[in-house]
Amino acid sequence: NAGVMQNPRHLVRRRGQEARLRCSPVKGHSHVYWYRQLPEEGLKFMVYLQKENIIDESGMPKERFSAEFPKEGPSILRIQQVVRGDSAAYFCASSPGTVNTGELFFGEGSRLTVL
Amino acid sequence: GQQVMQIPQYQHVQEGEDFTTYCNSSTTLSNIQWYKQRPGGHPVFLIQLVKSGEVKKQKRLTFQFGEAKKNSSLHITATQTTDVGTYFCAGLNKAAGNKLTFGGGTRVLVKP
Repeated sequence: NAGVMQNPRHLVRRRGQEARLRCSPVKGHSHVYWYRQLPEEGLKFMVYLQKENIIDESGMPKERFSAEFPKEGPSILRIQQVVRGDSAAYFCASSPGTVNTGELFFGEGSRLTVL
Repeated sequence: GQQVMQIPQYQHVQEGEDFTTYCNSSTTLSNIQWYKQRPGGHPVFLIQLVKSGEVKKQKRLTFQFGEAKKNSSLHITATQTTDVGTYFCAGLNKAAGNKLTFGGGTRVLVKP
């Protein structure tokens, strides 16, 4: 069974470019979460999605960031016009139900570096 | 908003010794989960606590949920080099939505 698959694992962008991060959840999981982690820090919640719906985007900046989880295909976290402060590890996690009922399964992360 | 804090931020432990890391929430939690992240790796689920005062053990790891469901602790006995990593607690407050709020983590370094 494949776990959560994220790609790319590493991404380098110049300021002003777009970054697109992909996440395929564990097969059968319909809940996807995106977290951001700076070096030596904890995981900051960004967005929670279920198939085709954004449930909670309270942790995501209103400008330049967007997320989707289409009916078919992976979840996408898109960062437009990247700035140096966007450099971080972005982790995707999935669960079969809400976190009230169980654990989150994390992918290996996408590490974004903005030059 | 909900905040989850962990202390200490860093824990240097001699191999074979015990240590405890603490987690405190600003709000009452529905449940609390613990994760371990190895250096360069991703968080891996360890355990979930749901009931007030609950205690669970996994080999050398003992997890506790406070009576008021606002704090938790992880105690590791006879630390080994394989225990190296960052331990995160993550709290769920259903009133704040179905998302886990992570603490800042305790980074554990083991001296052989």
